[in-house]
Amino acid sequence: DAGVTQSPTHLIKTRGQQVTLRCSPKSGHDTVSWYQQALGQGPQFIFQYYEEEERQRGNFPDRFSGHQFPNYSSELNVNALLLGDSALYLCASSLGTGLYEQYFGPGTRLTVT
Amino acid sequence: AQSVTQPDIHITVSEGASLELRCNYSYGATPYLFWYVQSPGQGLQLLLKYFSGDTLVQGIKGFEAEFKRSQSSFNLRKPSVHWSDAAEYFCAVGAREYGNKLVFGAGTILRVKS
Repeated sequence: DAGVTQSPTHLIKTRGQQVTLRCSPKSGHDTVSWYQQALGQGPQFIFQYYEEEERQRGNFPDRFSGHQFPNYSSELNVNALLLGDSALYLCASSLGTGLYEQYFGPGTRLTVT
Repeated sequence: AQSVTQPDIHITVSEGASLELRCNYSYGATPYLFWYVQSPGQGLQLLLKYFSGDTLVQGIKGFEAEFKRSQSSFNLRKPSVHWSDAAEYFCAVGAREYGNKLVFGAGTILRVKS
C-alpha cells in the first residue's frame, strides 16, 4: 500500500519564478493538506483540498494556490517566488475533512536563490 | 489565538534513560492532540493521538502521552530511550471549531548519547 508521495524531492528556483509541487495521497484517502516547514520551525498549514475544492486556508498570500484532481492528487503552485519561500513543503492526506489522522509525505525541499 | 508551545528546543538523554517532552497548547475549544516524529530529511510520522476518552494514550515505538486538561498539556514520554529515537518531535493540535488544520509547535530535537 503506497503512502503519500511527493515530487520532486528537491527544487531550486530563482526569485520571481513560479513553481509547481505535486502530491499523491495515500490509497483510499480523498483529502489533501499542504504545509510549509521553514528551517528550524514546525509545519504551517497552507490549505486543504477536498472534492476538488479548497476547503480551508491558512495565513498565506494569494501567490500560493492549489488544485485537486479527480483522482485526489494535488498540486501546490507558488508564483513570484521570494527568498522567504525556501522551505520544506509537506503534503498530508486523510480520509474526509474531519480531524482524522493525517499521513505526511517526505516533502519537497524548495530553495529560492 | 491557537498556539502550541514546546518549551525545550533541544534535549539530550542517555541511551536507556527515560524521556519526557513537553507540550502546552492554547485553544478555545476541545483539542485533538498529536505527536509526530521527523527524522532528518524525512516527512512526519504519527506517533500517537488523543481525541477523547482515556487521557493516557499509547503510541508506536513504545511512546505514550498524557492529556491534562487542567494544565493544557500533552507531554510525550518513553521509559527507555534507544539511539534510534534521535530525531525531532512535534506536538500538534487541532479542533473542529477551527476547521481541519493542524497547528504545530516549533519542535524539540532529541539527542541520544551512548
